[in-house]
Amino acid sequence: KAGVTQTPRYLIKTRGQQVTLSCSPISGHRSVSWYQQTPGQGLQFLFEYFSETQRNKGNFPGRFSGRQFSNSRSEMNVSTLELGDSALYLCASSFGHQGFAEAFFGQGTRLTVV
Amino acid sequence: GENVEQHPSTLSVQEGDSAVIKCTYSDSASNYFPWYKQELGKGPQLIIDIRSNVGEKKDQRIAVTLNKTAKHFSLHITETQPEDSAVYFCAASKNTGNQFYFGTGTSLTVIP
Repeated sequence: KAGVTQTPRYLIKTRGQQVTLSCSPISGHRSVSWYQQTPGQGLQFLFEYFSETQRNKGNFPGRFSGRQFSNSRSEMNVSTLELGDSALYLCASSFGHQGFAEAFFGQGTRLTVV
Repeated sequence: GENVEQHPSTLSVQEGDSAVIKCTYSDSASNYFPWYKQELGKGPQLIIDIRSNVGEKKDQRIAVTLNKTAKHFSLHITETQPEDSAVYFCAASKNTGNQFYFGTGTSLTVIP
């Protein structure tokens, strides 16, 4: 069974640009969550999508957005990039039903903003 | 919101010894507590979890305990091996989706 796939693995962008990251969840999983990981702030929740609807949202500015498609694949977009957006962006997938569904992470996309 | 604290931030043990990592949480509504292991260049890997209706869970050399009254939970690794060296994260969730609150991580080094 394939795991969570995130593309691309590495990205270098310039301040002010925008970027789109992609996540393909484990087959059958309908929930996709996104996290930002930095040395200073650790793992912070961005948002969660379930059946194409945003179910939860973390405390990030509106420059961070996401969406989920009917096949459960998800994308997140960051507009007007800032140096502080440099981080490892992680996607996690789970069945997403009420009832303690385990979440499995992808390897992440390493974003560097210069 | 939920606040998860994790200690220690670094831990070195001799191969074969035990390692214990402790976490506390603040929101009594949290009811699911997973532990993740993250190796360099990889995403976090779920290694064990515990639900609030259980006090202890064991899987081979790994065990987790939960004290709901005191709002703390711990990871125990016995007979440590060099391949256990990694960063370990605890997390808490309220089962209202997959929004996890993570601890700040423990860098475990197992010395051969």
